[in-house]
Amino acid sequence: AQRVTQPEKLLSVFKGAPVELKCNYSYSGSPELFWYVQYSRQRLQLLLRHISRESIKGFTADLNKGETSFHLKKPFAQEEDSAMYYCALGSRGAGSYQLTFGKGTKLSVIP
Amino acid sequence: DAGITQSPRHKVTETGTPVTLRCHQTENHRYMYWYRQDPGHGLRLIHYSYGVKDTDKGEVSDGYSVSRSKTEDFLLTLESATSSQTSVYFCAINRDNLYGYTFGSGTRLTVV
Repeated sequence: AQRVTQPEKLLSVFKGAPVELKCNYSYSGSPELFWYVQYSRQRLQLLLRHISRESIKGFTADLNKGETSFHLKKPFAQEEDSAMYYCALGSRGAGSYQLTFGKGTKLSVIP
Repeated sequence: DAGITQSPRHKVTETGTPVTLRCHQTENHRYMYWYRQDPGHGLRLIHYSYGVKDTDKGEVSDGYSVSRSKTEDFLLTLESATSSQTSVYFCAINRDNLYGYTFGSGTRLTVV
């Protein structure tokens, strides 16, 4: 069974400090990993997907299959980064696509 | 508008009453999903649909049923609401891949 673990419920950093949100996964197949962000009382939005290897809003994430991790990083935190972040693992079943989410990490950037 | 709307946005209901939440899409996507979001649990899949009249259970399906009679509508029904079903419910749609999920704005349900 697939599982996504985000060990930190809350992460507080000062503005300008580096940010690392941790995500570990468990999956027997070839993983497809994503980061979603939810700003206060808004809908979830896709932030990153590992396949594209892109940088969005200064965030990057590298898939490390050896450590089964997909940590989200940003070198300099901004106040507008304060939000809830969810790591998600994608899987393909018989005719379906599903995302399994971690429990989320609330990032608070202190001015 | 992201092509997906949920109704109602907020609802307060009494224990034991049936409740139906609606998810409507204008994107003609094949896949639709219902998740619930709870502090400390993240998002958990309740039910999903891969076509009209084609649905399947997710991780936390007990106490919930769904129906999809048209491509654009996916209904979630709480047969007899309980306080443990107080939550924020999100609908999502997806065309045919893992990165094309679009989420609705959520329905905040309180069962008293």
